[in-house]
Amino acid sequence: AQSVTQLDSHVSVSEGTPVLLRCNYSSSYSPSLFWYVQHPNKGLQLLLKYTSAATLVKGINGFEAEFKKSETSFHLTKPSAHMSDAAEYFCVVSLWNNDMRFGAGTRLTVKP
Amino acid sequence: ETGVTQTPRHLVMGMTNKKSLKCEQHLGHNAMYWYKQSAKKPLELMFVYSLEERVENNSVPSRFSPECPNSSHLFLHLHTLQPEDSALYLCASSQTGGGTYNEQFFGPGTRLTVL
Repeated sequence: AQSVTQLDSHVSVSEGTPVLLRCNYSSSYSPSLFWYVQHPNKGLQLLLKYTSAATLVKGINGFEAEFKKSETSFHLTKPSAHMSDAAEYFCVVSLWNNDMRFGAGTRLTVKP
Repeated sequence: ETGVTQTPRHLVMGMTNKKSLKCEQHLGHNAMYWYKQSAKKPLELMFVYSLEERVENNSVPSRFSPECPNSSHLFLHLHTLQPEDSALYLCASSQTGGGTYNEQFFGPGTRLTVL
């Protein structure tokens, strides 16, 4: 069965410092992995996706994630946090088009 | 209008009311989804429609009834709901088939409160 585990329910960083949001996945097949962001009272927006091409994936707003098969991880990073990055982030695994499993989410707080 | 739109954005209803949520996608996709997002719980997939046919129903109570009249529109009909059904209901669409893993595009959601 496919699933994802987001290791931190809440991460707090200072503005201008690096961001690391951790995600581990479980999949019997070669997975597709996604990161979505949800700002308050908004829907989910795709940040980036991994589909077995390059293992380092660059997304929008300066975010990137690295697929590490040996560690079954797909952690999301950003070199320097902005206040506007404060939101809920979801790691998602997909076996096939209609089957996406969402992690529980990580709330990112950015302090001035 | 672009992307995925949902109406209404907010809805308050009593337990005996009947209401409907509407979703419309302007992306030319062939699959649409309903999700329930409750506080402190992972996103729950409720229904999937692909090519206007329901392909998945994750044991959702019958008080939720989906309808997909065409590939651009999706409804969720609600009747005799319970207070625990209060949540954010998200609609999404995607393009399926072709052997690719395509992301889903989400609407802004309908915040439902059941009194």
